[in-house]
Amino acid sequence: DAGVIQSPRHEVTEMGQEVTLRCKLISGHNSLFWYRQTMMRGLELLIYFNNNVPIDDSGMPEDRFSAKMPNASFSTLKIQPSEPRDSAVYFCASSPLGTGSMGGYTFGSGTRLTVV
Amino acid sequence: QKEVEQNSGPLSVPEGAIASLNCTYSDRVSQSFFWYRQYSGKSPELIMSIYSNGDKEDGRFTAQLNKASQYVSLLIRDSQPSDSATYLCAVNLDSNYQLIWGAGTKLIIKP
Repeated sequence: DAGVIQSPRHEVTEMGQEVTLRCKLISGHNSLFWYRQTMMRGLELLIYFNNNVPIDDSGMPEDRFSAKMPNASFSTLKIQPSEPRDSAVYFCASSPLGTGSMGGYTFGSGTRLTVV
Repeated sequence: QKEVEQNSGPLSVPEGAIASLNCTYSDRVSQSFFWYRQYSGKSPELIMSIYSNGDKEDGRFTAQLNKASQYVSLLIRDSQPSDSATYLCAVNLDSNYQLIWGAGTKLIIKP
């Protein structure tokens, strides 16, 4: 099992540019989470999907952020236009969907985004 | 506001000693509890999960859960310099798998 795969690992972009982050889930996992981590705010949940359906996007900072899950194994997080305050490490994580709430997450290696 | 509280540290422990990390949570309906370890520049990795009151042991790690007092702790026995990391406590409130995260405790094991 290759784990949760994120790309790119690092992204440096100029303010105003569009940024697309990508995530491939672990096979068989049904829940997908996008997180942002900064020193000041820690881990913040941006959005999560169950079975490709967005369940809660209340953590998405603004309309500049959008996320899609076109199939069961892949998701994108897009920022358009990007701003310097978006600089952070963005993680996606997946978990199995089972009985109760027994699943912990498996995180991808993250994308370190720097907007200059 | 559902919250998970951790002391941010750093917690400094001599090598070979027991490191004790604590976490309190505010919502009594919390069902599942997780400890993640995050090395600097890396992603969080799950090291322990606990669902019932009492202790759960896995190698040098022991998770302790007390639902009445609403706390969960992680003990690391025979601590090693490689245990130096930030430890994140996470609590699952419902079946949607959304975790509520603590801010993490930075642990430093001194050789």
